[in-house]
Amino acid sequence: ETGVTQTPRHLVMGMTNKKSLKCEQHLGHNAMYWYKQSAKKPLELMFVYSLEERVENNSVPSRFSPECPNSSHLFLHLHTLQPEDSALYLCASSQAIGTGNEKLFFGSGTQLSVL
Amino acid sequence: GQNIDQPTEMTATEGAIVQINCTYQTSGFNGLFWYQQHAGEAPTFLSYNVLDGLEEKGRFSSFLSRSKGYSYLLLKELQMKDSASYLCAVMDSNYQLIWGAGTKLIIKP
Repeated sequence: ETGVTQTPRHLVMGMTNKKSLKCEQHLGHNAMYWYKQSAKKPLELMFVYSLEERVENNSVPSRFSPECPNSSHLFLHLHTLQPEDSALYLCASSQAIGTGNEKLFFGSGTQLSVL
Repeated sequence: GQNIDQPTEMTATEGAIVQINCTYQTSGFNGLFWYQQHAGEAPTFLSYNVLDGLEEKGRFSSFLSRSKGYSYLLLKELQMKDSASYLCAVMDSNYQLIWGAGTKLIIKP
């Protein structure tokens, strides 16, 4: 148990569907992240929030839309996805950002399949 | 560009020792991390090195040489539960984490 919970664990969606991924952290951290993990590729940072404000968006397509209503919750809204978006989506949190030794705590991820 | 290299896959025997290497070329350096990820589970933090040398934590040790852009993770007395992927990541001068693709470690009895 890492203190970061993601739901759902698995998701299958068609290209015209709209769905949302949810992440909740119980660690009192101030920063939250969305990562994409594809097989045999490095983790790709998608979005970073610090104290509920987005501080980084790594040129992610607009079909991915993040939302951070408070420092404990993070959502990733999905719409009109493509098959190449199929991957494991990981949420993470850290105490802060920009300190150097911030350890990330990850959720178990949502395995997304786009048909 | 920034790059982290680590072997794709390694195999070792239960009870043995294995060393997983990581080399990096990044814009600046603010520390190197190792994470362990079992299949279908969350990556979990193993170690953080910012100064040269060896850090030991039980059966696991991590080494860093900043001048060589090189680190390794050393796992001793291997157990079947050590079968996992091991992710190397470097924090650059902008405090961005640059990730390697991970090393899948297979332990055989």
